[in-house]
Amino acid sequence: ETGVTQTPRHLVMGMTNKKSLKCEQHLGHNAMYWYKQSAKKPLELMFVYSLEERVENNSVPSRFSPECPNSSHLFLHLHTLQPEDSALYLCASSQDSGSNSPLHFGNGTRLTVT
Amino acid sequence: DAKTTQPPSMDCAEGRAANLPCNHSTISGNEYVYWYRQIHSQGPQYIIHGLKNNETNEMASLIITEDRKSSTLILPHATLRDTAVYYCIVRVRHSGYALNFGKGTSLLVTP
Repeated sequence: ETGVTQTPRHLVMGMTNKKSLKCEQHLGHNAMYWYKQSAKKPLELMFVYSLEERVENNSVPSRFSPECPNSSHLFLHLHTLQPEDSALYLCASSQDSGSNSPLHFGNGTRLTVT
Repeated sequence: DAKTTQPPSMDCAEGRAANLPCNHSTISGNEYVYWYRQIHSQGPQYIIHGLKNNETNEMASLIITEDRKSSTLILPHATLRDTAVYYCIVRVRHSGYALNFGKGTSLLVTP
């Protein structure tokens, strides 16, 4: 148990579908992150939220749309994805952003786009 | 953030100490050294971090050389559950949000 819960664990979607990934943290942290991990590639930062405000968008295509309704919840809304978007999507949280507080990761959502 | 170099893979016998090296020869004075690990099918897990002094917690010890150009993560009594990819990361405090995970070292603990 990492304190960061992601649902669903696995998701298969077609290119025309709309789906959402959910992340919830129970650690009282103020910053939340989305990372993407493609096969045989290092983790890539996608978005950062600090106190529910987006503070970084790392050149992510608009077919990925994040939402942070409060400091405990983070969503990633997906629409018209491509097969190359298949990857492990990881959510993380930290005490605050921009400092050296460690990140706590969830176990990810394994996304397959068909 | 400074670049790090780690061996791609290592083996360790169960019960022995696992010593994972990391070179960061271009590290600057205000960059911290972080270690994370990722067990198959799970998210990365924070292990330990330090600036210049050696650090120890319940999971591991971090030894940083005096010139700070390299460090070693020590798992004192490796178990099969320590089989994972270990990432050494250096970053400046307040430098932003991205952690450059690189390719890490794949540690295999054998019975």
